[in-house]
Amino acid sequence: SQELEQSPQSLIVQEGKNLTINCTSSKTLYGLYWYKQKYGEGLIFLMMLQKGGEEKSHEKITAKLDEKKQQSSLHITASQPSHAGIYLCGAKDSNYQLIWGAGTKLIIKP
Amino acid sequence: EAGVTQFPSHSVIEKGQTVTLRCDPISGHDNLYWYRRVMGKEIKFLLHFVKESKQDESGMPNNRFLAERTGGTYSTLKVQPAELEDSGVYFCASSQVWTGFGQETQYFGPGTRLLVL
Repeated sequence: SQELEQSPQSLIVQEGKNLTINCTSSKTLYGLYWYKQKYGEGLIFLMMLQKGGEEKSHEKITAKLDEKKQQSSLHITASQPSHAGIYLCGAKDSNYQLIWGAGTKLIIKP
Repeated sequence: EAGVTQFPSHSVIEKGQTVTLRCDPISGHDNLYWYRRVMGKEIKFLLHFVKESKQDESGMPNNRFLAERTGGTYSTLKVQPAELEDSGVYFCASSQVWTGFGQETQYFGPGTRLLVL
């Protein structure tokens, strides 16, 4: 079965610094989703990548999918307290079900 | 436009009791999903409704779980009788169009935190 591995598990970053979160799949990704969760809130959709080499940006967050479509990275530039939360990558498996990584907990130090 | 809502936000019950979780999807969204996150583990798919029909319920853990979506609007997920291992956060999501592997944005509710004692 397909699995998604996220790294790091947690991250503490000084405000203003850049950071990267990775998501690696054991199989080819047909669609890679990035969501963010804050405690007590639902998962907030950030971006979806489908094509090898694709890159998307939203404000200070950039997500990339590698050419082989087995790895994605989420990069945050000049981090702010509002970026704190749990970042989750998800992908559809061969049954069209969304499977998920374990999440990366991001803490921003003021 | 209202987002996906879930009720209750928290539920604490004793083993053997029954609990019913409710999800109201975004109006007009035909697709409704239930997911569960058990402490320390990944979010797992439970089932998928298209309107009032169960498209895929292969993720349901066992027959103690019953999901319904009467009239193709809101959905309920009943756990009867609840066991300790059912504790976790239950998320509901909805989407407008199901596209297989194609782009489909699922909008999530805040989740129901269930604790079985």
